[in-house]
Amino acid sequence: GEDVEQSLFLSVREGDSSVINCTYTDSSSTYLYWYKQEPGAGLQLLTYIFSNMDMKQDQRLTVLLNKKDKHLSLRIADTQTGDSAIYFCAERTPSGYALNFGKGTSLLVTP
Amino acid sequence: EPEVTQTPSHQVTQMGQEVILRCVPISNHLYFYWYRQILGQKVEFLVSFYNNEISEKSEIFDDQFSVERPDGSNFTLKIRSTKLEDSAMYFCASSEKGTGSYGYTFGSGTRLTVV
Repeated sequence: GEDVEQSLFLSVREGDSSVINCTYTDSSSTYLYWYKQEPGAGLQLLTYIFSNMDMKQDQRLTVLLNKKDKHLSLRIADTQTGDSAIYFCAERTPSGYALNFGKGTSLLVTP
Repeated sequence: EPEVTQTPSHQVTQMGQEVILRCVPISNHLYFYWYRQILGQKVEFLVSFYNNEISEKSEIFDDQFSVERPDGSNFTLKIRSTKLEDSAMYFCASSEKGTGSYGYTFGSGTRLTVV
């Protein structure tokens, strides 16, 4: 299938905001997700957004959705060194069972 | 917090051998999944399983692959005759319902190395 696109690498200073961008493929996707993967660990669901929303905020995380451009972003406020991980964007496929993932953005937070 | 447990964490097998990867989903979850991630590539969907049958599978999930829920707690992925290109991290996941708002809980993965 088509690829969910993400930039591969992002480096920010501790305390700054991080913005991770994603372009998804299916305009009919109803749910879009952000997952976090720390070294040696599984995929941790961070947040999701339903397609009838433009924005969702959850503590330090803000998700923005632009359906027209099929663009999804994740903003992490006051980024900490513990936020260093790989962040995956994913869309739910029309079948409703499978998730279509991007390749992941590796976030490095420096002191 | 409930977890999805996968064993083993790392398995090395010879090409042509059969492997079984094991998963214990969260106890009240009804939908089960396998995904894989080849090193440096994206996480790819393999199969979903509900009510003791496959509900969806990808092109990757060919006749070499099978899934089973042998008892009330385990969910397994079998690869009958492993190939070098099967080397990957395999993730099991489960969800309470199939609808997207509940998300999916992933295990920590089994790293399969085929030599």
